[in-house]
This record gives sequence, C-alpha cells and structure tokens, in this order.
Amino acid sequence: DAGITQSPRHKVTETGTPVTLRCHQTENHRYMYWYRQDPGHGLRLIHYSYGVKDTDKGEVSDGYSVSRSKTEDFLLTLESATSSQTSVYFCAINYGQGRSYEQYFGPGTRLTVT
Amino acid sequence: RKEVEQDPGPFNVPEGATVAFNCTYSNSASQSFFWYRQDCRKEPKLLMSVYSSGNEDGRFTAQLNRASQYISLLIRDSKLSDSATYLCVVNRIGNQFYFGTGTSLTVIP
Repeated sequence: DAGITQSPRHKVTETGTPVTLRCHQTENHRYMYWYRQDPGHGLRLIHYSYGVKDTDKGEVSDGYSVSRSKTEDFLLTLESATSSQTSVYFCAINYGQGRSYEQYFGPGTRLTVT
Repeated sequence: RKEVEQDPGPFNVPEGATVAFNCTYSNSASQSFFWYRQDCRKEPKLLMSVYSSGNEDGRFTAQLNRASQYISLLIRDSKLSDSATYLCVVNRIGNQFYFGTGTSLTVIP
C-alpha cells in the first residue's frame, strides 16, 4: 500500500462544467502523475509533477491543468469537461532511488461526462 | 510507433497450463522494465521488475532481451486467480513510464 488516495472515486458531470480530481499521498514522494486509461489506449500520461509547484505536460495534456501547492496533494482540473474526457483517471507516485524507480497507483476515479 | 506493444489477447487457458506473454519496446534508451497486473476495475499493481539476467518469483518468470528490445512473462501452473490483464511497462531516465495496452488472461476451470 503506497498510501495514495483519490477523490472522488466516481463522478458524473455535464459537458462544459469544471471538474477537479484530487490525489493525496501520505509518504512525501516527490514525483506524482496523472494518467487516463481508455480501452485500446492503455495508460496515457496527462501531467506529472516533480515537486511543489513543479509540473510538466504529458502525452494527452490538452484540456487538463494541474496544481501542486503541497507535497501531498496533486490536483487535476478539467476546465470545461467534454464527453471525450470520460475515462478512468489514475494517480501514481514513484518509489525508489537513484536510477531505479517503480510506480504505484491510487485506486482510480471513474469520470463520466454526459 | 508506440513505445510499448503487446498482444492484447485474450488468452484463455485451462488451470494448470503454462502461458507466455511478450512485449516489445521501441526506445533502446529504456532503462527499467516491469510487469504489472490489473484486475477488472482496479488499479494496476506491480507484479515484478524485469532484470537483464531474468528473474523468477514463484510461478512467474520474467526475461529481458535488450538486443531485440523484447520482454516476456511466463506463468506456470496457471490458477484461476491469475485471471487479469498484464501490462508491460518500460521506464527511461527522467521518471517517465510507458505502458503497453495490456494482455488479457482468463484461466478456465
């Protein structure tokens, strides 16, 4: 158990509304990630963070923004949700040191945009 | 070309069978390699890291062939509880991980 929680776990929202997903970790890990998982695409990186206020874009960042004001929290915001953002969202942290890291995931958030 | 490619399956095998999954990666700069297991509607969980010398954990054996950029996972004596999707994952220096789309395994009684 990597001490990662995500909230909400399930959300249904309407097109055009803003949505914020929260990832919380309790073990002071430096790196945090947001992925989305869709059938046929696997896990795709949205954004990641390498420290407080330090973030960078991933493969599918359009339509998403992130913030990390505290080590333990990494927020993902959909400014104006679209149906194409219906997905399962996973948060992850890196665990390890030096050149060897492993990723551990939170339980996921199922988001449906109607 | 995708960073990581896997045969999606599905693989349907009887209990007790041996099954092998393969995965190829495109970037020769990849440094670390992993197999993850994902159960339906759950998060991916680390099954095992893959080392150049190959490694074994009980019924599971993972191998890496850097020359061919190929990773494999062998499951011996399959159990019903092995039914899941298996994800091949590679990492390059820089803390980014790349995931295959997964191979689905169903073990049949």
